[in-house]
Amino acid sequence: GQQVMQIPQYQHVQEGEDFTTYCNSSTTLSNIQWYKQRPGGHPVFLIQLVKSGEVKKQKRLTFQFGEAKKNSSLHITATQTTDVGTYFCAGNTGTASKLTFGTGTRLQVTL
Amino acid sequence: EAQVTQNPRYLITVTGKKLTVTCSQNMNHEYMSWYRQDPGLGLRQIYYSMNVEVTDKGDVPEGYKVSRKEKRNFPLILESPSPNQTSLYFCASSLYNPSSGNTIYFGEGSWLTVV
Repeated sequence: GQQVMQIPQYQHVQEGEDFTTYCNSSTTLSNIQWYKQRPGGHPVFLIQLVKSGEVKKQKRLTFQFGEAKKNSSLHITATQTTDVGTYFCAGNTGTASKLTFGTGTRLQVTL
Repeated sequence: EAQVTQNPRYLITVTGKKLTVTCSQNMNHEYMSWYRQDPGLGLRQIYYSMNVEVTDKGDVPEGYKVSRKEKRNFPLILESPSPNQTSLYFCASSLYNPSSGNTIYFGEGSWLTVV
């Protein structure tokens, strides 16, 4: 079945450093969504990418969708303690009726 | 306020004792689903429902049942819970099939421990 892997599984940075998480699929994705889960909270939608090579920005967050639509990345510039949490990507092949979530990347930011 | 509500939020139960986790959404969404979250495994889908009386298995359906008699409710039933079902469970809803790009809204989560 479709698999969506994320790396790294965990990253610890100091405030002000950059952070990137990568999402890789074994199959081509029709679209990809990103979610953030704060510690003790529930996943919350961040953004959706649809087009090959698409890049979207939300303040310090930059999201990219690969040209082959098999991978995606989330880059955070100058992390803050408010960025702490687990980031999930979720995608589908377009033929299935469900979205497959990645394994998640847990980000820890310290002062 | 638009929300997905699940209960109970925390539960400790014993092996074999049937339990139900309720889920309700007030957004008139057609699509609802259940996920479990375990360390290192991310969010795995248990069951989903495209509409009333339409349910289907997700990636990890064994040991679970669901029903969708009304649009707003989608309870998760553990007929005979076992310790390997100890997990954090999320109910979620979406206007339509999220694989088509619709945003998923998650409930607050239910921590279930089976001893």
